[in-house]
This record gives sequence, C-alpha cells and structure tokens, in this order.
Amino acid sequence: EDQVTQSPEALRLQEGESSSLNCSYTVSGLRGLFWYRQDPGKGPEFLFTLYSAGEEKEKERLKATLTKKESFLHITAPKPEDSATYLCAVQMRETSGSRLTFGEGTQLTVNP
Amino acid sequence: DTEVTQTPKHLVMGMTNKKSLKCEQHMGHRAMYWYKQKAKKPPELMFVYSYEKLSINESVPSRFSPECPNSSLLNLHLHALQPEDSALYLCASSQQGHLRPQHFGDGTRLSIL
Repeated sequence: EDQVTQSPEALRLQEGESSSLNCSYTVSGLRGLFWYRQDPGKGPEFLFTLYSAGEEKEKERLKATLTKKESFLHITAPKPEDSATYLCAVQMRETSGSRLTFGEGTQLTVNP
Repeated sequence: DTEVTQTPKHLVMGMTNKKSLKCEQHMGHRAMYWYKQKAKKPPELMFVYSYEKLSINESVPSRFSPECPNSSLLNLHLHALQPEDSALYLCASSQQGHLRPQHFGDGTRLSIL
C-alpha cells in the first residue's frame, strides 16, 4: 500500500537551533515530491518540488533533499516566523492528473 | 496574499440550507481542485477539473456538487450537509501536466449546525 509518513509529528526548537523534518514514502513509482508550509487558518503554501534522488532545493533557511526512500526538509537557524505545519506530498506515476498523496504533517514551533 | 481567492472565508449553515463556495484564480491555470481539510489532518482531495471538465471525483457524496463555469472560476454547491462535513474547504489551481505545483487559496471555514 502506498504510504507517506512524516516525522516527527511535532517539533519544538529554540531560535537558531537547526534541525530536519523527515518525509518517508513507500510508493510503487514516485513521479515527484512536494513540500508545503501551512499556517493556522491558511491554505498550504508551496515551497519545493523534487523530481529525482539526489536533488536539492533551497529557499532562505530551508533546504529540501530527496533520496529513493525519503525527503528531508532542513531548517537552518530557524526564526519564530518559521513556525508552521510542514506538509509533504507525493505524486505517483500510476495516478492520473495531478493527484497528490499528503503526509500527516510536522507541526514546527520555534521559540524566541 | 494568495493568488487563489476563496469566498466566503467563513460559512455557517443548517443541514437543510443550500449554499455555494466560490474560488477564483487569474494565473491562467487550467487545472483546479477542491480539497477538504479537518483539524490537524492533511487536505483530502475531493474533485479535480481539467480544462473545465471534471476529471476526478473521489467518491464524494452527492450533497457536494462542483461546477467550473470557466477557466478562472470554480464553485462548490452544498445541499443537505451533515455535521461531519464541517471543515476547511480549500481550492487549488495548477498548470496542466505532471509535477506542476498546486497553489492553494486560504479556504472557507464551514460549520454545519
């Protein structure tokens, strides 16, 4: 069965304390993986698309990486404004259109 | 500010009411989506429109009726909803094709009395 698992469920960091969020997937054929950020009461905000193992993308304090089994979202020197729920989603080869399968998310809190 | 606009932001309705949710985008995207999101859960896909035609219906109950009047607009008509339908309803759009990121609106918070 295709599955997307994010860990940890929740993460508390002090400002400036770097860490990583994990998204592991067991799918029969990965077309691509997306990272989103969601603030309370808002819709998900697109961050990155990763297509192939070994790929890396960066944006400000965030860097996303992809292997054949998982993706990491590295947060370097986070600030309180990085507090949000981070969602990963996969698109599988055999699915039609742009169907995404989301993980349950990691709720990140960065304390000042 | 998001480029996908959803109205209303909040909606409270009784189980016998009929209401509609609206979504608009002006990014030239030809794929549009409706999602339902419960608290502390990820979005769940409901419908996908591709070039104004319904391409995916994730076995959604008929009390939810989508409509895509043109390439910029997406509606979700609601009728005889149940309390368990209370959720955040998200609209998204994307360019057509694989691996195109979906861009989400901020949703309509729906409460069924």
